[in-house]
Amino acid sequence: SAVISQKPSRDICQRGTSLTIQCQVDSQVTMMFWYRQQPGQSLTLIATANQGSEATYESGFVIDKFPISRPNLTFSTLTVSNMSPEDSSIYLCSVEVVESRVQYFGPGTRLTVT
Amino acid sequence: AQSVTQPDIHITVSEGASLELRCNYSYGATPYLFWYVQSPGQGLQLLLKYFSGDTLVQGIKGFEAEFKRSQSSFNLRKPSVHWSDAAEYFCAVGSSGGGADGLTFGKGTHLIIQP
Repeated sequence: SAVISQKPSRDICQRGTSLTIQCQVDSQVTMMFWYRQQPGQSLTLIATANQGSEATYESGFVIDKFPISRPNLTFSTLTVSNMSPEDSSIYLCSVEVVESRVQYFGPGTRLTVT
Repeated sequence: AQSVTQPDIHITVSEGASLELRCNYSYGATPYLFWYVQSPGQGLQLLLKYFSGDTLVQGIKGFEAEFKRSQSSFNLRKPSVHWSDAAEYFCAVGSSGGGADGLTFGKGTHLIIQP
């Protein structure tokens, strides 16, 4: 398995500002993923972050809005840029353990944009 | 494109009764299938997974699920629920192809336990 931590756990931000969410895993992993869970909704994949290469974004998500960094095999950040109230969601980081092909999730970052 | 349908948005079950949560998937090949549980204020916890082999898989907390290819289903079951099982349950499908891919989740089923 993998133990994942995220910072911050929650934040309240003003519209037009940006927030960077950090994701730290306790072991080296190749692939990390970022998901969004809007209020009362399911999880939607934002992007896949592979160390040493550009993140791959899903349809409907763009790099200018959600820039991602992946500087090493245990860490990634997701920035939510130029925020609007529609960005209010829980943002979750996950990693895949290659041996088991199982994705493990962090506790999430609850973002409220006012 | 792959998709997951969880037809029941809410389910209410009496404590001690049996439970079945439905999940149907759409995927071109044999999928990787997962059930996760999300308790209030908590992250997602993996209950069980199916990749291949025995179609009845056992998970944690007394849960099991059965893969039925002919019905494109992966229903979750528990013979006797406990009040602590109240949570949101998500079925998810992943690619069985090479390389890691993100998961596609269903909309979730909210489980309510009546005393």
